[in-house]
Amino acid sequence: AQSVSQHNHHVILSEAASLELGCNYSYGGTVNLFWYVQYPGQHLQLLLKYFSGDPLVKGIKGFEAEFIKSKFSFNLRKPSVQWSDTAEYFCAVNGGGNTPLVFGKGTRLSVIA
Amino acid sequence: EPEVTQTPSHQVTQMGQEVILRCVPISNHLYFYWYRQILGQKVEFLVSFYNNEISEKSEIFDDQFSVERPDGSNFTLKIRSTKLEDSAMYFCASRADTQYFGPGTRLTVL
Repeated sequence: AQSVSQHNHHVILSEAASLELGCNYSYGGTVNLFWYVQYPGQHLQLLLKYFSGDPLVKGIKGFEAEFIKSKFSFNLRKPSVQWSDTAEYFCAVNGGGNTPLVFGKGTRLSVIA
Repeated sequence: EPEVTQTPSHQVTQMGQEVILRCVPISNHLYFYWYRQILGQKVEFLVSFYNNEISEKSEIFDDQFSVERPDGSNFTLKIRSTKLEDSAMYFCASRADTQYFGPGTRLTVL
């Protein structure tokens, strides 16, 4: 069955700390991978995506993610978080084209001063 | 930047009533989706829509649900007879290369 696991339910970091959020997926065939962010009171916004090519993808706001096919992982990273990064982060996967997204449960990130 | 919009932002209804949730996708997108998120749970796929017909639906999308594109801009989700367990955030999305999400409608069924 298709599934996405996000291991961290809630992460609390101080400003300037480094961030890594784990994401593992189970999906047969071609995969496209995504990270979405939901800031408080706002809608889901695309942070970055991987379709093919360089497994290290860079997104908006200094985020990056690395696709490791052998580990079925697509972890999200940021070297130095800011208070404004406080949000919920969702990893998602689909099979390409117009196939629906399968989401993880989300990780809530709280950045404290 | 064009956005997906949804109305209303919050809908409160009595169990057994019909509700219609509205979405205006980004204008040049051709694929449309509904997802929902029950409080504390994952965002779940409901249905996808292309060329005026359903292209895929999940097990959640039973006979109580229907979708329609009544004109060139709106995309609606109708729940015929709401149940308590339909209480959730409902997200509309439209797709070019990736899916862009609307702000959601919070549906509360009493």
